[in-house]
Amino acid sequence: GQNIDQPTEMTATEGAIVQINCTYQTSGFNGLFWYQQHAGEAPTFLSYNVLDGLEEKGRFSSFLSRSKGYSYLLLKELQMKDSASYLCAVFPPSGGFKTIFGAGTRLFVKA
Amino acid sequence: DVKVTQSSRYLVKRTGEKVFLECVQDMDHENMFWYRQDPGLGLRLIYFSYDVKMKEKGDIPEGYSVSREKKERFSLILESASTNQTSMYLCASTLGQGGQPQHFGDGTRLSIL
Repeated sequence: GQNIDQPTEMTATEGAIVQINCTYQTSGFNGLFWYQQHAGEAPTFLSYNVLDGLEEKGRFSSFLSRSKGYSYLLLKELQMKDSASYLCAVFPPSGGFKTIFGAGTRLFVKA
Repeated sequence: DVKVTQSSRYLVKRTGEKVFLECVQDMDHENMFWYRQDPGLGLRLIYFSYDVKMKEKGDIPEGYSVSREKKERFSLILESASTNQTSMYLCASTLGQGGQPQHFGDGTRLSIL
């Protein structure tokens, strides 16, 4: 079966660092996406990992371990505008054009 | 920037009605998708299309159909709306095959009364 797990909610303080974890069990793996979705808005692309390791993009970094079926999104210097849902999604090779999405993690940033 | 436009942000319909949700993208993307998003369930794929007049069932196609007569437009049809189809519907598009990020529309919040 195909399954992606991520925490439902997290709370962090402005200026801090937060790590959002994602574990996946899928039939094959071709890459992992992270999307950000503000309430009432469309998801927007944050990162794509294909190989193991850390990809850094400004305040956001994404890590992948294919052998462990594990990824995390790291947000540094949190700002209030980072309050949003963060979606982990896997692109399996058998899926053709399909991407499998996790249920998302709602992040609340407090002052 | 890719622009994916959904025809309505909010829509209220009655049980049994035939409902049309329209999606248009302006970047000549081959692939288009319809998802529904429900709390705790994430994005679930209803149908997708990888070319004009081509369509493939996703994970939850029952009660829905789609139409892709032109490359830029992908329509989702609820044949006879039911209350369990009340949801947020998201359209997305991607370019080519492989791990391309999906570009989403703003969504249509559909309520079936």
